[in-house]
Amino acid sequence: QSVLTQPPSVSAAPGQKVTISCSGSSSNIGNNFVSWYQQLPGTAPKLLIYENNKRPSGIPDRFSGSKSGTSATLGITGLQTGDEADYYCGTWDSSLSVGVFGGGTRVTVL
Amino acid sequence: EVQLLESGGALVQPGGSLRLSCIVSGFTFSNYAMSWVRQAPGKGLEWVSAIGGGVTTYYADSVKGRFTISRDNSKNTLYLQMNSLRVEDTALYYCAKGPKEGAMDYWGQGTLVTVSS
Repeated sequence: QSVLTQPPSVSAAPGQKVTISCSGSSSNIGNNFVSWYQQLPGTAPKLLIYENNKRPSGIPDRFSGSKSGTSATLGITGLQTGDEADYYCGTWDSSLSVGVFGGGTRVTVL
Repeated sequence: EVQLLESGGALVQPGGSLRLSCIVSGFTFSNYAMSWVRQAPGKGLEWVSAIGGGVTTYYADSVKGRFTISRDNSKNTLYLQMNSLRVEDTALYYCAKGPKEGAMDYWGQGTLVTVSS
């Protein structure tokens, strides 16, 4: 049981948009920055979004992040087959003094 | 170019010990917090431990008292000493740079730890 809650899977056709939600609490998302990671099959996780909505160099603007209260959302527009991967949200939990991740969401391009 | 290279993973019996290492390059190691994150086969990411630029350490409840994170800034190397290993510790262990404002911006390729009799 993960501290942060994500839907297990989302899917859409190529070119469409998907959103992935990440729900937490005041001790984690509510008072800390949220980051998002993409894990392509058989590879290490890769940082997609940091500080709620910032993209590292090289990450296309098709990927976006937002946060409101104790929830965060990752959006992917112009979906491509290469976007098929597992996506994880993560943050710090100030009450527990631990890092926390969501359970992951598998994105499928139909 | 930032690089993180883990080593030390192996097959070990329950109750055994193992030390993982992560040698880094491409950034000033001593200036950054570092983390270990693991992923059991077919499962999601699980944060394990983190260490600040100095000596402050943090642990997940699942490993507290059994695992010890440390660093040698002179060798650009992060360590994870794992004692009293359990079957449920079986996972691919990733070394990651950060967290910085909660984010881990670079990850190694992982080293596999298998705990089995």
